[in-house]
Amino acid sequence: AQRVTQPEKLLSVFKGAPVELKCNYSYSGSPELFWYVQYSRQRLQLLLRHISRESIKGFTADLNKGETSFHLKKPFAQEEDSAMYYCALSGDQNSGYSTLTFGKGTMLLVSP
Amino acid sequence: NAGVTQTPKFQVLKTGQSMTLQCAQDMNHEYMSWYRQDPGMGLRLIHYSVGAGITDQGEVPNGYNVSRSTTEDFPLRLLSAAPSQTSVYFCASSYGDGRSGANVLTFGAGSRLTVL
Repeated sequence: AQRVTQPEKLLSVFKGAPVELKCNYSYSGSPELFWYVQYSRQRLQLLLRHISRESIKGFTADLNKGETSFHLKKPFAQEEDSAMYYCALSGDQNSGYSTLTFGKGTMLLVSP
Repeated sequence: NAGVTQTPKFQVLKTGQSMTLQCAQDMNHEYMSWYRQDPGMGLRLIHYSVGAGITDQGEVPNGYNVSRSTTEDFPLRLLSAAPSQTSVYFCASSYGDGRSGANVLTFGAGSRLTVL
């Protein structure tokens, strides 16, 4: 079974402060990890995925297989980063389609 | 391109009524799925489809029915609505050209359902 844990329901920081949204997962094989984001009054959208190894809107996330984590980080938070963030995992697709399992989400609030 | 279109945006039902949430995509995506979003529960998969004529159950399928007669459409049917089905429902689609694309989801705007 695959499971995603986001331990924080709410993370509140000031503008310019560093941000780390935690994500831990449980999966026995080689997972794919994603971060999805939902801004107020907007659709859920992909923020980044681990295989791309890219930085989007200043956010990065590194897959740590030893710690089974995929934490989302940004060195300097901006007010427009305020949103609900979901970590998600899918299993190995090589044996057929593996569905996406979402964590419960972390609401990030960035205050001026 | 419209992307993923869901209708209706809002619906109020009485317990025991049935209804269908519509979902259509114009991106020729193979994979489509339905999620429900509840406070403190995140997104949970209800049903999904990997192509026309093929559907499967997700994590919380009870009380819901789906079919996929065309690539474009993936309606979600509530057979006999219950208050526990009060939620926001999201339809999503993705292309299926290999490992990295299958779960790059494009979401609809959501349908907020209240069951009294």
